[in-house]
Amino acid sequence: ETGVTQTPRHLVMGMTNKKSLKCEQHLGHNAMYWYKQSAKKPLELMFVYSLEERVENNSVPSRFSPECPNSSHLFLHLHTLQPEDSALYLCASSQDWGLRGIGTDTQYFGPGTRLTVL
Amino acid sequence: SQQGEEDPQALSIQEGENATMNCSYKTSINNLQWYRQNSGRGLVHLILIRSNEREKHSGRLRVTLDTSKKSSSLLITASRAADTASYFCATDGMDSSYKLIFGSGTRLLVRP
Repeated sequence: ETGVTQTPRHLVMGMTNKKSLKCEQHLGHNAMYWYKQSAKKPLELMFVYSLEERVENNSVPSRFSPECPNSSHLFLHLHTLQPEDSALYLCASSQDWGLRGIGTDTQYFGPGTRLTVL
Repeated sequence: SQQGEEDPQALSIQEGENATMNCSYKTSINNLQWYRQNSGRGLVHLILIRSNEREKHSGRLRVTLDTSKKSSSLLITASRAADTASYFCATDGMDSSYKLIFGSGTRLLVRP
């Protein structure tokens, strides 16, 4: 266990549904991330939150809406998704977003949510 | 844009053999990280090597970094069936963004 949990582990939804993915980290970290992993594509960074403030939005469509109510919890709200949004969605956390001159921090990943959009 | 690119894409070896995976990247970095992913699961951090380091060890893992060639290698010695997984390198850029860019990964199969 990495100290990062995600629920649900599997989700099947229709294109008109609204659902939310939840991530919780028990590591006392300041930064949290959402990644998308599709078949045959590299891991794609979607959003970054540092100290509960969104610091990165990697040109993600508005049908994905993140929320970070506190430093331990991260949500990804989904609505009117497309079949091509089917993927493994991974949450991660790190002590800090990055430090000038040092770079990125080690990231700790949750087990992911396997999303299927019908 | 894709920063890290692993080679080979797939590797099959016998238990007990060594496995070597390579990663090439395009721009200057602060650090390079290697992660492992079992099928359909989350990634697990293996090693972080900074741009001023050339080699790092962790148990049966050895990572090298050659910044002049913009490349890194991950060596797993005395492989075990449990090492079967995908291995990814991830790099950041030296700009103000601390995004980690992942490569496509090497799928390692260790046959018992």
